[in-house]
Amino acid sequence: SAVISQKPSRDICQRGTSLTIQCQVDSQVTMMFWYRQQPGQSLTLIATANQGSEATYESGFVIDKFPISRPNLTFSTLTVSNMSPEDSSIYLCSSGLAGGGETQYFGPGTRLLVL
Amino acid sequence: SQQGEEDPQALSIQEGENATMNCSYKTSINNLQWYRQNSGRGLVHLILIRSNEREKHSGRLRVTLDTSKKSSSLLITASRAADTASYFCATDPNAGNMLTFGGGTRLMVKP
Repeated sequence: SAVISQKPSRDICQRGTSLTIQCQVDSQVTMMFWYRQQPGQSLTLIATANQGSEATYESGFVIDKFPISRPNLTFSTLTVSNMSPEDSSIYLCSSGLAGGGETQYFGPGTRLLVL
Repeated sequence: SQQGEEDPQALSIQEGENATMNCSYKTSINNLQWYRQNSGRGLVHLILIRSNEREKHSGRLRVTLDTSKKSSSLLITASRAADTASYFCATDPNAGNMLTFGGGTRLMVKP
């Protein structure tokens, strides 16, 4: 399985500020994904982080609010910009295996609370 | 948006009993994956079943898939208190690794 780490594991932020979440995969993977899990809810895909090109965002998510970087094949960041209490969620990144395959592996998540 | 629904939303059983969770989805899929999440932590991958498969086993887990009904079930046999968690199904329409998750089932196994 892929080993995925995220930083920070949790944070408490003030409204109006921004937080950048880092995701590191232990091997080179083609695609990485960012998900949001609102309190008591399931996961919703925010965007696909593509190496060498702009991220692809799902309906309801925009680049200005959730800018994503993918500087290489093992790393990605998600920024939650101009935060409001509604952004309080767990943010998770995922990827497949370096060799391909359908199974998706997830990082431990970043628990964000916006006051 | 969520692909479908899981039921029940919550399930409470005694240790040693079997737990069955169901997942329904709306569009055609390449594969369906089941995950476990403990207390809002990261997701642990349990099992993947492809659209041309009907049943898979992994230890105490048994997954079935009925593509004609667009549904899947996860059976945990001889449950343990450590199985207490939320369980999610997720569908992948074209093996492109972009998953759409169901609503999840919160399982509590009482010792």
